[in-house]
Amino acid sequence: EPEVTQTPSHQVTQMGQEVILRCVPISNHLYFYWYRQILGQKVEFLVSFYNNEISEKSEIFDDQFSVERPDGSNFTLKIRSTKLEDSAMYFCASSELAVGTGELFFGEGSRLTVL
Amino acid sequence: AQKVTQAQTEISVVEKEDVTLDCVYETRDTTYYLFWYKQPPSGELVFLIRRNSFDEQNEISGRYSWNFQKSTSSFNFTITASQVVDSAVYFCALSDAIQGAQKLVFGQGTRLTINP
Repeated sequence: EPEVTQTPSHQVTQMGQEVILRCVPISNHLYFYWYRQILGQKVEFLVSFYNNEISEKSEIFDDQFSVERPDGSNFTLKIRSTKLEDSAMYFCASSELAVGTGELFFGEGSRLTVL
Repeated sequence: AQKVTQAQTEISVVEKEDVTLDCVYETRDTTYYLFWYKQPPSGELVFLIRRNSFDEQNEISGRYSWNFQKSTSSFNFTITASQVVDSAVYFCALSDAIQGAQKLVFGQGTRLTINP
């Protein structure tokens, strides 16, 4: 069964460092997303990406965050200068259609720990 | 603004008991979608169901059933004859149906523990 894959599964970094989280969405999907889950809390939307541009972003997704689809398969989330409060599980997701009409497939998550 | 409330933060039952997880939502949209996801201890998010606002028919899938009541803005999830493998955090989520708006708003989750 096709799946969304994420790397790394866990990354530990020092505050102020840049981090790139990588995702390979399902190959025929057109919509890509990043969500975040701080430990023990709810899952929060960060950003959606369609047709090579951001289609929507939340207030969490400030100038420290950026997304990119550098080639036909990868979808990355970059945090330029990490803060302690960026420690969370980051989920990549993809869907064939807009989320209301198509199932959203999540990856297994990348746990980011900022020290 | 959209909001999803899962008032039960933790539920603990003994195996084979039935258990219902509550979900109440708020939205101004007339067309929207509701979801349930399961997050097992391994951490991934597993899709369980999607329901659109025009379809109030209850759904059953094996031991799982969902009760959508638009009048009370609720989308409750029942597990019948629970099993230890059902232990997980369950999230209810809401999405509007406006084209181009593609975000899910999640509830806080309910941690379900099934004891043997």
